[in-house]
Amino acid sequence: EADIYQTPRYLVIGTGKKITLECSQTMGHDKMYWYQQDPGMELHLIHYSYGVNSTEKGDLSSESTVSRIRTEHFPLTLESARPSHTSQYLCASSERGGGKDTEAFFGQGTRLTVV
Amino acid sequence: GEDVEQSLFLSVREGDSSVINCTYTDSSSTYLYWYKQEPGAGLQLLTYIFSNMDMKQDQRLTVLLNKKDKHLSLRIADTQTGDSAIYFCAERRQGGYNKLIFGAGTRLAVHP
Repeated sequence: EADIYQTPRYLVIGTGKKITLECSQTMGHDKMYWYQQDPGMELHLIHYSYGVNSTEKGDLSSESTVSRIRTEHFPLTLESARPSHTSQYLCASSERGGGKDTEAFFGQGTRLTVV
Repeated sequence: GEDVEQSLFLSVREGDSSVINCTYTDSSSTYLYWYKQEPGAGLQLLTYIFSNMDMKQDQRLTVLLNKKDKHLSLRIADTQTGDSAIYFCAERRQGGYNKLIFGAGTRLAVHP
């Protein structure tokens, strides 16, 4: 069973609010990722991190920001939420390397609705 | 293009075989994966295949890879109601951070 946790599971929030989606893993993985998933659509990578103090933008442009101050923690922040941010956000982690063992473990996701 | 493509929906009768298809785009992709997502849960790795293999079997699951056509399939034998979920195909592309590119997922519905 994967030890990666996301909170909250569901969030409904008003336009203009600042929100932080939490993601923590207890596996000591170096790499962490945030994916955005709209219903019936692909998962799109929006942020990733190789390790502490490393953050990069993914393939899909996002107004969110991330930080990686500790190995186990990779929070995602939206400074001013908008209805266009309504989506499911999935956090994942994997070990460093490129082989088969770099399975990505996923959290349960946060379903965000901005009204 | 960037897209990994899958059909969005598949309905099968309990006990029949299910075949979920996927086409990917990058011939240099090293590993190809099938993930399963049950309602309200994260993605779980079901199985994977290395790009130099044609087939991999793991209990009820068979993965077939046609590298020439960049086509991947997942066959589930004796499909059960517990197999109802969304199945995501993903390719691991070389270079950079070996990123995973996912398809949109195929929703498998198993009926009696």
